[in-house]
Amino acid sequence: NAGVTQTPKFRILKIGQSMTLQCTQDMNHNYMYWYRQDPGMGLKLIYYSVGAGITDKGEVPNGYNVSRSTTEDFPLRLELAAPSQTSVYFCASSYSPTSGIQDTQYFGPGTRLTVL
Amino acid sequence: TQLLEQSPQFLSIQEGENLTVYCNSSSVFSSLQWYRQEPGEGPVLLVTVVTGGEVKKLKRLTFQFGDARKDSSLHITAAQPGDTGLYLCAGYMDSNYQLIWGAGTKLIIKP
Repeated sequence: NAGVTQTPKFRILKIGQSMTLQCTQDMNHNYMYWYRQDPGMGLKLIYYSVGAGITDKGEVPNGYNVSRSTTEDFPLRLELAAPSQTSVYFCASSYSPTSGIQDTQYFGPGTRLTVL
Repeated sequence: TQLLEQSPQFLSIQEGENLTVYCNSSSVFSSLQWYRQEPGEGPVLLVTVVTGGEVKKLKRLTFQFGDARKDSSLHITAAQPGDTGLYLCAGYMDSNYQLIWGAGTKLIIKP
């Protein structure tokens, strides 16, 4: 199993450009998440999905969009990139909320994005 | 303001020393998890603690959940350079799927 894979690893965008960060998991997990990690700030939840066709906003959704057409894929779209979106983006997945408070999140290696 | 406060933010010690890092909150958590993150990689789960007062050991790492389920600690005995990394605590406040994350403790173990 590859686990959670993310592409690209690095990207530099100009202000106003758009891009899609790809995320795929092969563990048949129901739940998928997108986080951003800024220095000294921990992880902030952008969007999450409880299953194919269902997505919802997290703590910091502005400037981002997501879709979940399959169990495996959960792309994150940045429209009109801004310098404030410079960050490291992590995709994660977990099995089921019914495992509830002991649910483990599995992370991809991250995408380092710089907006200039 | 972080709901989960980790301290210290940064710690650099010599190989062989002991250390403790803390994860504190004024709120009650259903469970707390500790993750370790190495440069260029995503966090990896080390342990989950669920019961107030619970102690779990993972080789030289000892994790404790406070009696009131508001805090947790990670103690490393005889630290080794391989322990270097960012240690993150994260908690579930109830049975939903959103983890609350601390900002992390960056740990460097010098040979």
